Amino acid sequence: QSVLTQPPSASGTPGQRVTISCSGSRSNIGINTVNWYQQLPGTAPKVLIYSNDQRPSGVPDRFSGSKSGTSASLAISGLQSEDEADYYCAAWDDSLSGLVFGGGTELTVL
Amino acid sequence: QVQLQESGPGLVKPSETLSLTCSVSGYSISSGYYWGWTRQPPGKGLEWIGSIFHSGDTYYNPSLNSRVTISLDTSKNQFSLSLSSVTAADTAVYYCARESGAPGAFYYYMDVWGKGTTVTVSS
Repeated sequence: QSVLTQPPSASGTPGQRVTISCSGSRSNIGINTVNWYQQLPGTAPKVLIYSNDQRPSGVPDRFSGSKSGTSASLAISGLQSEDEADYYCAAWDDSLSGLVFGGGTELTVL
Repeated sequence: QVQLQESGPGLVKPSETLSLTCSVSGYSISSGYYWGWTRQPPGKGLEWIGSIFHSGDTYYNPSLNSRVTISLDTSKNQFSLSLSSVTAADTAVYYCARESGAPGAFYYYMDVWGKGTTVTVSS
């Protein structure tokens, strides 16, 4: 069981907007920032969003992040076939003194 | 351009020690940043193993703490992972990564990743 909870799967059609949730607790999301990683099949993860809502250079503005209380969300607008991937949220946990990941969400573009 | 490359044995026997090295190019690891390891068992999600600061300070996953050591070799611009008493549950793809920010700080994330190396624990 992962410390951060994500839905195992999500789906959408090209052009749609999809959101992926990440639920935690006060010791992680509640007091620390959330990052989102995209893992395309057979490749290493890549940071999509850091510090809740910041996009690294090169990441399209179709990807956005938000945080409220002990939950966070990743939104993908204008869904494209190349967005098919696994998405992971992560945050530092002060109680565990460690970095925790969500279990991952497999996004399918129908 | 910063690049990371993992290396090490692809097969380790149960109860032995897994040792991996991450070679860094394009940046001197003694200049800053945290440097860490994350793994991914077959068909499963990501698990953070631990990190080391350029000064040598370390953070480890509490569930692995007693078996993990991460160290720096600044002369070779490398950092290493040692995981003792391995079992089949340690079979995974192991990734090294550069970490921007600091644990518990306003920002802390893996911004550069290696391609990963597969380690199988089997006799």
